[in-house]
Amino acid sequence: DSGVTQTPKHLITATGQRVTLRCSPRSGDLSVYWYQQSLDQGLQFLIQYYNGEERAKGNILERFSAQQFPDLHSELNLSSLELGDSALYFCASSVEATGWMNTEAFFGQGTRLTVV
Amino acid sequence: QQQVKQSPQSLIVQKGGISIINCAYENTAFDYFPWYQQFPGKGPALLIAIRPDVSEKKEGRFTISFNKSAKQFSLHIMDSQPGDSATYFCAARPTYSGAGSYQLTFGKGTKLSVIP
Repeated sequence: DSGVTQTPKHLITATGQRVTLRCSPRSGDLSVYWYQQSLDQGLQFLIQYYNGEERAKGNILERFSAQQFPDLHSELNLSSLELGDSALYFCASSVEATGWMNTEAFFGQGTRLTVV
Repeated sequence: QQQVKQSPQSLIVQKGGISIINCAYENTAFDYFPWYQQFPGKGPALLIAIRPDVSEKKEGRFTISFNKSAKQFSLHIMDSQPGDSATYFCAARPTYSGAGSYQLTFGKGTKLSVIP
């Protein structure tokens, strides 16, 4: 168990709908990262939050957004869903790093999203 | 543009054999190269990692070989066991860019099957 909790584990929804995925990081971790895993694209970095603020953006669509709350949990919101959004969505967390450090990112078990 | 290329896509190895997975990168700003192991239904978990100032790192049966000039690195699994059957991802992280930053670029993964 990595200590990162993601809910729900599975989600089935229709095209055009909006869903929210939730992530609780490991205790003490300030950074939360969201990744999308699909068969053809592999693991793609979407967005990172650090202590409530957006820190880095990757290949995140405009239909997707995220936030990190004061208690450090994070939510990924996916709207106007399309069939191609079906994928595994992973959240990872890591501790604060000062200077150069090999800070390991711990991944949750993911949310499998199926858009029908 | 895929920044980390991983091969092979799948690999079948006899129990006791050596499994070799290769990765190549393009971005010279990458300075940390972890390998992740993922079992079905689970999130990726850090297996072993290397910095570019060393050419090899060994942990138990797992060894990373790193060739900085060729921009290539590989994972060797010695005495492969059926329990090693999983998907393996190489990854790379750019130069440290701020507190909590751990933005990983992943290869597309190698599905390893170790047969008895």
